[in-house]
Amino acid sequence: EIVLTQSPGTLSLSPGERATLSCRASQSVNRDLAWYQQKPGQAPRLLIYGASSRVIGLPDRFSGSGSATDFTLTISRLEPEDFAVYYCQQYGSSRALTFGGGTKVEIK
Amino acid sequence: EVQMVESGGGLVQPGGSLRLSCAGSEFIFSSYAISWVRQAPGKGLEWVSGISGSGGRTHYADSVEGRFTISRDNSKNRLSLQMNSLRAEDTAVYYCARATTAVSRGPFDYWGQGTLVTVSS
Repeated sequence: EIVLTQSPGTLSLSPGERATLSCRASQSVNRDLAWYQQKPGQAPRLLIYGASSRVIGLPDRFSGSGSATDFTLTISRLEPEDFAVYYCQQYGSSRALTFGGGTKVEIK
Repeated sequence: EVQMVESGGGLVQPGGSLRLSCAGSEFIFSSYAISWVRQAPGKGLEWVSGISGSGGRTHYADSVEGRFTISRDNSKNRLSLQMNSLRAEDTAVYYCARATTAVSRGPFDYWGQGTLVTVSS
């Protein structure tokens, strides 16, 4: 099973600041990596797929990068609605799909 | 608008069984692979099982292999998860989530609102 390790566990930032979230895979997933945002009491929401492709309608302050084992989600300027938990997911494995443990972006 | 609606959750005793359902609407159901993803209270996301658009291919997490069975009825736009030999650690909100093609197992572009399964005596 491919293990995804997200860091940091919690990111304390102020609105307007830049957020950089990391996701590291235990083996290469090529670019089969997605990012999701989850707010309390809600289902996850797909943000990024293929490591760097934004879903339609996603503000361009969100960007994804990376390949193989190292991936980054960047939020260039945090808006109040961006404070949430973010998960990465790999979907390239022929066996189990896996999620990272999540990064909580909280208001400082 | 695409919708995925889960049902069937509830309280069940350890060792018991439960069947979850997921109804899809406003899309061609058979054209998309669908998975079950769960989230234990206060914890992260865990992929549980997935099935191709035709229903011909199924996949399971090691944690549920042999206990859970995923199936779909494309004529009724319905996905099911039969859960047997339930354990306390199966307690979670269960989401159904649509993949982006019939054969890809991810990513998941639409999710249901979730149904809570509680395994407790």
